[in-house]
Amino acid sequence: DIQMTQSPSSLSASVGDRVAITCRASQNIDTYLNWYQQKAGEAPKLLIYGATTLHGDVPSRFSGSGSGTEFTLTISNLQPEDFATYYCQHGSDDHFTFGHGTKVVI
Amino acid sequence: QVYLQPSGPGLVKPSETLSLTCSVSGGPIDLYYWAWVRQPPGKGLELLAYTYIRGNIYYNPSLKSRLTMSVGSSGAQFSLSLRSVTAADAAVYYCARRASSYSPTGSYFYYMDVWGMGTAVTVSS
Repeated sequence: DIQMTQSPSSLSASVGDRVAITCRASQNIDTYLNWYQQKAGEAPKLLIYGATTLHGDVPSRFSGSGSGTEFTLTISNLQPEDFATYYCQHGSDDHFTFGHGTKVVI
Repeated sequence: QVYLQPSGPGLVKPSETLSLTCSVSGGPIDLYYWAWVRQPPGKGLELLAYTYIRGNIYYNPSLKSRLTMSVGSSGAQFSLSLRSVTAADAAVYYCARRASSYSPTGSYFYYMDVWGMGTAVTVSS
């Protein structure tokens, strides 16, 4: 099975900061990589699929990059509502492994 | 707008079967795959199963022997059964829709774009 490793497991930031979260796959997964945001007590929310494509009305301060085995979620100009836990997920047919999450705290 | 409403017992005794249902409204159930994901307290997300109304069922290999999922057997709903539960099965269980988009390489990207609110399950005698 392909393993997904996120780093860091948590990070501290301030409003207005630019933060980056890394997700590494144990094998080449091309760009079959999704990012989700989960706030406390809520269901996850899809942010990005296909490594780089923003879903729906996700703000443009969120961006995704990478391919193969290394991926990055970048949040520019961090807003108060962005403090949450972020998960990467391998998203190809029959493979939906999640990373362990990165908590972004104030 | 598609809306998913999960329902479950809240409390299950050890060794018994957990049965969950997710009601789908606002969109067709027969055009998408549907999934169950769980999250133990303070931990990450774990995909349990997903299926299509007329397709094969994918089960998490580590739980496959205890899981049964079905879609559409009772209207716009899909369900999950988890047998022989233990304390390790205590979690918030989410139902979700699996959607897809065409990828430039000729395949598809798969992702969960709609999620239910989650139903908490406690395992205790």
